This record gives sequence, structure tokens and C-alpha cells, in this order.
Amino acid sequence: GAVVSQHPSWVICKSGTSVKIECRSLDFQATTMFWYRQFPKQSLMLMATSNEGSKATYEQGVEKDKFLINHASLTLSTLTVTSAHPEDSSFYICSARGTSGIYEQYFGPGTRLTVT
Amino acid sequence: GQNIDQPTEMTATEGAIVQINCTYQTSGFNGLFWYQQHAGEAPTFLSYNVLDGLEEKGRFSSFLSRSKGYSYLLLKELQMKDSASYLCAVTDSNYQLIWGAGTKLIIKP
Repeated sequence: GAVVSQHPSWVICKSGTSVKIECRSLDFQATTMFWYRQFPKQSLMLMATSNEGSKATYEQGVEKDKFLINHASLTLSTLTVTSAHPEDSSFYICSARGTSGIYEQYFGPGTRLTVT
Repeated sequence: GQNIDQPTEMTATEGAIVQINCTYQTSGFNGLFWYQQHAGEAPTFLSYNVLDGLEEKGRFSSFLSRSKGYSYLLLKELQMKDSASYLCAVTDSNYQLIWGAGTKLIIKP
């Protein structure tokens, strides 16, 4: 149980275009999902916390107008990178938190974004 | 502020034992997690400690001392596939997960 999927697993896009990444909890309901970014050889950086039915909470330094997060249902959150630039190229990982027990975060497999 | 410290990199020999330390200073405490992350992949859950003491799970064990703000992950009978980054993370009073920067473990034959 507790499987999180992400789609796509990798994407290449041109500078100036937008890219949408989906994160789904497959066998549980996730009221809270998290979006992380990780650059090569660096640690996870939390971008935002997404609660179902409400606006996402962004970490300091993360542009909310550039990284649009929608958490419309208990099993789906989306991250849209708008007007992507080469510096947005990174590994984007989502996680979903369970609603009971130890509140462990279950991670999706990640999406590798390359902006050319 | 909230802070989690762990060594940046460690090297160990195949078949040996290695201990990765983690110290934390957070606003409240609701548990400590260890995750393993192989290069290019997402983190995977290893262990969870909320009470003081040692939790053993196969070749991996995790220890917690809440009074000292300290934990360690112990890996026994190291295998080459254990080469990865190990992330320490603490859940604070708001159930937010605070991440350490990770320890890159290099296993040599």
C-alpha cells in the first residue's frame, strides 16, 4: 500500500513553455501533498505544501506565480512550471502524507525536467 | 531556527558496519525518520523513531535520544547497493517534516 505515482517521469520542453506534473496517491487519500525540487548532488528542497481544497503554502523564495500548484482532490495534486527557463531544469519530487499513524511521507518516483 | 545536522559524506568498506549520526534542534518533536535515496531516484522510507531507544530492522537499526536531540542510523554487513544518500528528517510540533542535507555513503570493495 501507500503508493504515489508521478507523471511524466521525465520531460524535455523549450524555454518559455509550461509543463504540468501530476502526483497521485493510488491507494490512499492524501489531504496533504508536498512538492520538492532537487538539483544534482544537492539535498531535497521543499517548494510548497499543498492541502486539498485550499491554496498551497510556498516556501520562502519560491515564486507562486511561476510554480502553480493545484490540489483539487484527495488523490491528485499538480505542479505547473510556467514559462520555464533552463534554470528550472531539475528533479521534481512529490510526496503524500498519510492521515494517520506516524504521518510518514510517501514519495513519488520523481520527474526529471529539462528545459532547452 | 530549526536545524538538522548530519555529515556530508562517509566512506566504508563492503561487509563492515557504519554509523551515520544526526543531531537536531526543532520546535517540538513528533518523530524522526531516516530515508535512503539512490542517485536519480526519490527517497524511500527506512525507519521511524519517536521514543528513545534502538529500532532494529534487518541490517539497519536506528537509535534516538530525545534529551540529546540525537539519532543515528547503523548499517551492518554493508553491501555495494547501500551506496546512497541517507536523509535524516524530523517532524516538528506542526507535523512539518524538517530535512537534513543528507549523508552520502560511499561503499568500497
